Amino acid sequence: GQQLNQSPQSMFIQEGEDVSMNCTSSSIFNTWLWYKQDPGEGPVLLIALYKAGELTSNGRLTAQFGITRKDSFLNISASIPSDVGIYFCAGLPVDSNYQLIWGAGTKLIIKP
Amino acid sequence: NAGVTQTPKFQVLKTGQSMTLQCAQDMNHNSMYWYRQDPGMGLRLIYYSASEGTTDKGEVPNGYNVSRLNKREFSLRLESAAPSQTSVYFCASSRGPNTEAFFGQGTRLTVV
Repeated sequence: GQQLNQSPQSMFIQEGEDVSMNCTSSSIFNTWLWYKQDPGEGPVLLIALYKAGELTSNGRLTAQFGITRKDSFLNISASIPSDVGIYFCAGLPVDSNYQLIWGAGTKLIIKP
Repeated sequence: NAGVTQTPKFQVLKTGQSMTLQCAQDMNHNSMYWYRQDPGMGLRLIYYSASEGTTDKGEVPNGYNVSRLNKREFSLRLESAAPSQTSVYFCASSRGPNTEAFFGQGTRLTVV
């Protein structure tokens, strides 16, 4: 089936640093979503993107829908301890109206 | 509001046993989903329901059955559990197929 390549798999950063992660696909997507999952919880939506080239912010988080429609990026500025968790991208392929494809996640760890 | 409620939170089954995972949402959402999450992988869709009385197979439906009892409830049944079904199961709901999905806290299932 279709796959998303999400990188990096994990990140060790200092508090206050900026963070970047991305997802790429071999096929074209109509929608890109970024979720965060805390331990023992379900994923929570951070940002939704619906148009190629779209740049959307949610507080310190900024995400972009790649112009080729095959990739997306999430940036976190000035990281804080509560940013720790696993970040997932998910995309809706053009040939599907409900089946999201999920990346494997980026685990963010903040060094004290 | 409770959002999406899943029961049980933890379960251990012996190979061959059956069980039903329950899910209910109180947000009047039309779409409901069952996913499984395995280590190092993104969420994989088991089944989807666009509305009461309709269900569609996702990426990994084998070994599972679902029932959309009414608009609120969407249950997942394992008729004969196998060790390969050891996973964390998430139920989710959304207003429509391409809108923000809200997740339950998950059911951690171990099949021995």
